[in-house]
Amino acid sequence: GAVVSQHPSRVICKSGTSVKIECRSLDFQATTMFWYRQFPKQSLMLMATSNEGSKATYEQGVEKDKFLINHASLTLSTLTVTSAHPEDSSFYICSASKGAENEQFFGPGTRLTVL
Amino acid sequence: GQSLEQPSEVTAVEGAIVQINCTYQTSGFYGLSWYQQHDGGAPTFLSYNALDGLEETGRFSSFLSRSDSYGYLLLQELQMKDSASYFCAVSGNTGKLIFGQGTTLQVKP
Repeated sequence: GAVVSQHPSRVICKSGTSVKIECRSLDFQATTMFWYRQFPKQSLMLMATSNEGSKATYEQGVEKDKFLINHASLTLSTLTVTSAHPEDSSFYICSASKGAENEQFFGPGTRLTVL
Repeated sequence: GQSLEQPSEVTAVEGAIVQINCTYQTSGFYGLSWYQQHDGGAPTFLSYNALDGLEETGRFSSFLSRSDSYGYLLLQELQMKDSASYFCAVSGNTGKLIFGQGTTLQVKP
């Protein structure tokens, strides 16, 4: 199989605080992990591409200092939303790729609500 | 740049057949994928076409025409549980997936 987990599944935080979301590939090594954001009734927007041991590549318009991505191992990537504001409230989804194949395996998502 | 177009909404009745079209513009095209997403859930992979033609997986089939930059997802014998959003997505040599805006399918009894 190819299972990807995310933790937490749901988080509520106060404005100005930081939130860390973990993405793990449970039964395979992920050479690349991707982070997406999805607002209600909208599509998935790619935020960044993360490769193990190297800096993440951010999509245009995504603030790298606000959305910190760390990919410390082949099974774990983390996204930290720093100084969160209500407009950061969204559904954050990660996916992982085994490498040569084009299929991405998606985590269950993390719903972030910033009060 | 990259862009994809798909209908925003489709409605059909149980047992019917529905086709969701997707046209795309992209450079370095590798393939077209389809994902299903239920409300509150994450996307689940349905199919991937890299070559022209029809790929069949049970009740779902997906078609690609590279020369026309066009593909579709065909859902047969619709069931109520098929009510969901369906996204087409293009992939290129970077491994990134770029998603369309999604088609909301409503299946009625």
